[in-house]
Amino acid sequence: NAGVTQTPKFRILKIGQSMTLQCTQDMNHNYMYWYRQDPGMGLKLIYYSVGAGITDKGEVPNGYNVSRSTTEDFPLRLELAAPSQTSVYFCASRTANQPQHFGDGTRLSIL
Amino acid sequence: GDSVTQMEGPVTLSEEAFLTINCTYTATGYPSLFWYVQYPGEGLQLLLKATKADDKGSNKGFEATYRKETTSFHLEKGSVQVSDSAVYFCALNMDSNYQLIWGAGTKLIIKP
Repeated sequence: NAGVTQTPKFRILKIGQSMTLQCTQDMNHNYMYWYRQDPGMGLKLIYYSVGAGITDKGEVPNGYNVSRSTTEDFPLRLELAAPSQTSVYFCASRTANQPQHFGDGTRLSIL
Repeated sequence: GDSVTQMEGPVTLSEEAFLTINCTYTATGYPSLFWYVQYPGEGLQLLLKATKADDKGSNKGFEATYRKETTSFHLEKGSVQVSDSAVYFCALNMDSNYQLIWGAGTKLIIKP
């Protein structure tokens, strides 16, 4: 059972570079989420999606973009990386009235 | 708006001690309540949940009871082990809302 798969696990970017964090789930979940977790802190919601073609902003969307062309995939895009985006990024998914399932995270450093 | 408040950590205990991590919530309706655990270097895993008042969630020796009258969902374990060292997150979800509302997390350190 793959569950929620995130790639890459680690990445170092230079300021101003762009990259896409990949997230895919094989549980046919409608709802998907992107969070960031700064050191010693809780989770902050970046974007979420309630189904293919539908996305919405969370608490901290600035500097990020998402798309949801399929049920399975929910990539997160950083266009101009900034040091403030150094964090651990978690993708999660769920179906209605069920708990969220999390991926193992992507550790991103912007230098 | 809806919110979750957890006790600040870190909480440091000796092995076999009794654990309580407090969680209280504010919500306009009747949320589902969750405890998630994050072991070092890993993602979050669901530990237990409760969907209505007086429900008790339990897993791996941990328990939490949904107390509507005190709007609480405190996490307890009778005898902790070193392997329980992790960060514990309390969260709520309203059926009408797609998002989970998260507490800040409580770091638990168990010393042998």
